[in-house]
Amino acid sequence: LAKTTQPISMDSYEGQEVNITCSHNNIATNDYITWYQQFPSQGPRFIIQGYKTKVTNEVASLFIPADRKSSTLSLPRVSLSDTAVYYCLVGGQAGTALIFGKGTTLSVSS
Amino acid sequence: KAGVTQTPRYLIKTRGQQVTLSCSPISGHRSVSWYQQTPGQGLQFLFEYFSETQRNKGNFPGRFSGRQFSNSRSEMNVSTLELGDSALYLCASSLDGSGLAAYNEQFFGPGTRLTVL
Repeated sequence: LAKTTQPISMDSYEGQEVNITCSHNNIATNDYITWYQQFPSQGPRFIIQGYKTKVTNEVASLFIPADRKSSTLSLPRVSLSDTAVYYCLVGGQAGTALIFGKGTTLSVSS
Repeated sequence: KAGVTQTPRYLIKTRGQQVTLSCSPISGHRSVSWYQQTPGQGLQFLFEYFSETQRNKGNFPGRFSGRQFSNSRSEMNVSTLELGDSALYLCASSLDGSGLAAYNEQFFGPGTRLTVL
C-alpha cells in the first residue's frame, strides 16, 4: 500500500474553505484515493473517493493532479461540526485492509 | 438499512481476563474488519474476515483472535488482557472487504470501549 503524508493539524474559522493536502508518491496504477472523517469516540466515516481529476459530492471535493502523487480534500464553508480527524488512504486491491495514518486534526472555531 | 452494530458498547475488565466483542455487519455485507484505536498508536488494523475466513491479519499478538459466522456476524476475542489493551475496538463491514476499491466503502460501527484495570 502506498504511504501517505498529511499535515498533523489545521485550524480554520467557520465559513472558510479548508483544503487538506495528502501526498502519496508511490501510488500504484490501480489505487484509488479515499478520505475518511472521524469524530471523537466514533468510527470513521467515508467522505469521498476518487481516481483522477476532480470528484465532488454533497460534502466535499477531491482534487487529484495528473501525476496522482498527491490529492487535496476541499471542504467548502466549514462549520464547527466539521471539527474532526481526516484520514487520507490509498489502495485498491479487493480485500485490502485500510491502513490509517495519523490523519489531520481539523479544528474549526467561531 | 440498519448500520453496523457492536456489543457491548463499554466493558471493564481486569488484567489476565479474556473478553469477547461482537459485531453485526450491515445486511448483505460479507466482509468484517476489526481495528484497535488508542491515543498513542491511532487506528490499527487487527484482522479481516470474508465468508467466514480470515483474509487479512495485522501485526498483533496471538492473544487477539476472531471469527466470522455464516450470517457474517463476527466476534473478536482477546485473551490474557493487558493494561495496554485498553482501547476503542472498531468493527467495519463492506461488501467485499476493500474500503479502497471503487464504490466499496467500509462502514464503521460505534465501537466498544474496553478498559483494562
